Amino acid sequence: EVQLVESGGGLVQPGGSLRLSCAVSGFTLSDYWMTWVRQTPRKGLEWVASVKQDGSAKYYVDSVKGRFTISRDNPNNSVYLQLNSLKPEDTAVYYCARAFTAAGNFDFWGQGTLVTVSS
Amino acid sequence: EIVLAQSPATLSLSPGERATLSCRVSQSISNYLAWYQQKPGQAPRLLIYDASNRATGVPARFSGGGSGTDFTLTISSLEPEDFAVYYCQQRSSWPLTFGGGTELVIK
Repeated sequence: EVQLVESGGGLVQPGGSLRLSCAVSGFTLSDYWMTWVRQTPRKGLEWVASVKQDGSAKYYVDSVKGRFTISRDNPNNSVYLQLNSLKPEDTAVYYCARAFTAAGNFDFWGQGTLVTVSS
Repeated sequence: EIVLAQSPATLSLSPGERATLSCRVSQSISNYLAWYQQKPGQAPRLLIYDASNRATGVPARFSGGGSGTDFTLTISSLEPEDFAVYYCQQRSSWPLTFGGGTELVIK
C-alpha cells in the first residue's frame, strides 16, 4: 500500500525556519518525481516545488525561490522541504505528493502538515 | 505563468443529474491537464490525467475531454459522494498551476 506521511509543521515566527519531512512507503521512491503542494482557504491549491527521481533537477514557484529547498533521500524513503525566511503568506497546509509522470499527475498524496507563520 | 480559470465557481445540482465543469487555460497546453477531487479534511484525489484518462479506481461516470485551452470534466450521473470541490491542474510548463476550483453542492 502506497503511503506518504508528512511531519514537521507547526507555529513559527516570521523570518523563522522549518523542515518538513515526507516519509514514503509501498513504492520505490527513486522511480518517481516528488512534489510539495500547499493549500490555503484564500489561494486554494498552489504547487510549491518538485524534484526529479535522482535529485538532479528541482523546480520552485517564484514566491519561494531562494527561501525553500526541496531534497530527497531515496535510500531512506524520504523527501524534504526546508522552509527559510518564512512569511505570514507561507501559512498553509503543505502536502507531499507523488507524480507518476514527469512534472505532474499527482496520484498519491499525504494527509498534509500545517505550517503557521505568525508572531 | 499559465493561468487556469474554472467555471462555474459553484455548481448546484441534484443526485442523478449530469455535471459539466469547465477549465479554460491562458495558453495552449496540448492535453497536459489533470482533474482532482477534494472533500473536506482530505487531500486531493487524482481523477483524470492527460485530459481524458481516468486514474486507477475512478468510476466510469467521470470523464474528461478537451485539448489546447478548453477542457471539461463531466460526471454523467451524480452520486451523493461526488459533491466536493474539483480542481484542474496543468503540467505543460513550469510553474505547475492549479485552477481556483469548482464547488459542487447538493441542490
